[in-house]
Amino acid sequence: ETGVTQTPRHLVMGMTNKKSLKCEQHLGHNAMYWYKQSAKKPLELMFVYSLEERVENNSVPSRFSPECPNSSHLFLHLHTLQPEDSALYLCASSQGGRTNSPLHFGNGTRLTVT
Amino acid sequence: AQKITQTQPGMFVQEKEAVTLDCTYDTSDQSYGLFWYKQPSSGEMIFLIYQGSYDEQNATEGRYSLNFQKARKSANLVISASQLGDSAMYFCAMREVPIYNTDKLIFGTGTRLQVFP
Repeated sequence: ETGVTQTPRHLVMGMTNKKSLKCEQHLGHNAMYWYKQSAKKPLELMFVYSLEERVENNSVPSRFSPECPNSSHLFLHLHTLQPEDSALYLCASSQGGRTNSPLHFGNGTRLTVT
Repeated sequence: AQKITQTQPGMFVQEKEAVTLDCTYDTSDQSYGLFWYKQPSSGEMIFLIYQGSYDEQNATEGRYSLNFQKARKSANLVISASQLGDSAMYFCAMREVPIYNTDKLIFGTGTRLQVFP
């Protein structure tokens, strides 16, 4: 399998649930990202991991908790979410430190919080 | 301040015609990269084309070309011979030189392109 794979594709959860989004990359990259895409808003960078260390956290609420156990896997743990957290969550990977390295994205997880 | 500006929320083009999608950016760095992505209704983000700030030639990839005007800080995407399958959202993005290994792409708000027969 190649590229960036995200699971699940769709997720519906209540505000009291706990769930996790999973991302796996098979490109040999050393940087991984979580982006949030809401309707009529630019893509918002949430977290950046470089060489498995979190190097950026863009003031994301603590109800979102990332985990990067190795350079190929990235998780986003979700708990006590709000309806405004409903969005498309995109995972991406790249070769960090190189200006010309594009981000390769997964297909995203469409999250609905009820 | 917004770093990437896409002023066209929507564009229409007839099949087989060329279309230009506008993008302007703001940076004080001398070294940076500019990217265009396509997002069909299925949701995946597809990398189309890259232009480096020091590249003297405009980038081309098949039917895609990037009209790079550094002094104007613009990086417009030109799609030649439009096809129905080009209907999608198109995003312009910029990557600045990473500092302390922090590395990210900043995206514009996107332009929705619709190609009609």
